[in-house]
Amino acid sequence: ETGVTQTPRHLVMGMTNKKSLKCEQHLGHNAMYWYKQSAKKPLELMFVYNFKEQTENNSVPSRFSPECPNSSHLFLHLHTLQPEDSALYLCASSQDPSIGSPLHFGNGTRLTVT
Amino acid sequence: AQTVTQSQPEMSVQEAETVTLSCTYDTSESNYYLFWYKQPPSRQMILVIRQEAYKQQNATENRFSVNFQKAAKSFSLKISDSQLGDTAMYFCAFIDLITQGGSEKLVFGKGTKLTVNP
Repeated sequence: ETGVTQTPRHLVMGMTNKKSLKCEQHLGHNAMYWYKQSAKKPLELMFVYNFKEQTENNSVPSRFSPECPNSSHLFLHLHTLQPEDSALYLCASSQDPSIGSPLHFGNGTRLTVT
Repeated sequence: AQTVTQSQPEMSVQEAETVTLSCTYDTSESNYYLFWYKQPPSRQMILVIRQEAYKQQNATENRFSVNFQKAAKSFSLKISDSQLGDTAMYFCAFIDLITQGGSEKLVFGKGTKLTVNP
């Protein structure tokens, strides 16, 4: 049990589909994150929510739309994706980023865009 | 912009031996934290060790220890008595504590693939 649960584990979607990734944390943390992990590249921070407020949008294309209904749940809504968006999408949470609290990660969703 | 560099894309070590993974970073800030994360084939990123920049003492966690050289902006990870279960990608990461109203960002290196051989 990681404390951070992501679903689905794998997702294959066409470029015209709409899908959502879900993340849930049971750790009582205040901040949640979406990262994109592509081969041969560093992890890319996409979005940060702190106390349910979006505090970071790291120049992410609008075809990715985050939603944080409460401090335990985080979604990433996907629509009209491109093949280059295929990657591992990691969700993470932390207690308090302002004091360097470590991130706790989920197992990720492996996304393939066909 | 803050950057993290891991100069060793791949390394291997024999079981029970010691290996050191290198990491350098670039920042103009003085207050920050450094981390090493491990990502085994199961894909889950697991925290290995954490270092606070204002502490001169090197962090240790069982068989894992760091050599933190603040002036050189170097943060290497030493794994002693390597075990087969240590086989994984290892990521060095850095977060600076921004005080100008921005959000704190954890910046990762590209990773080092470590293989422990029996």
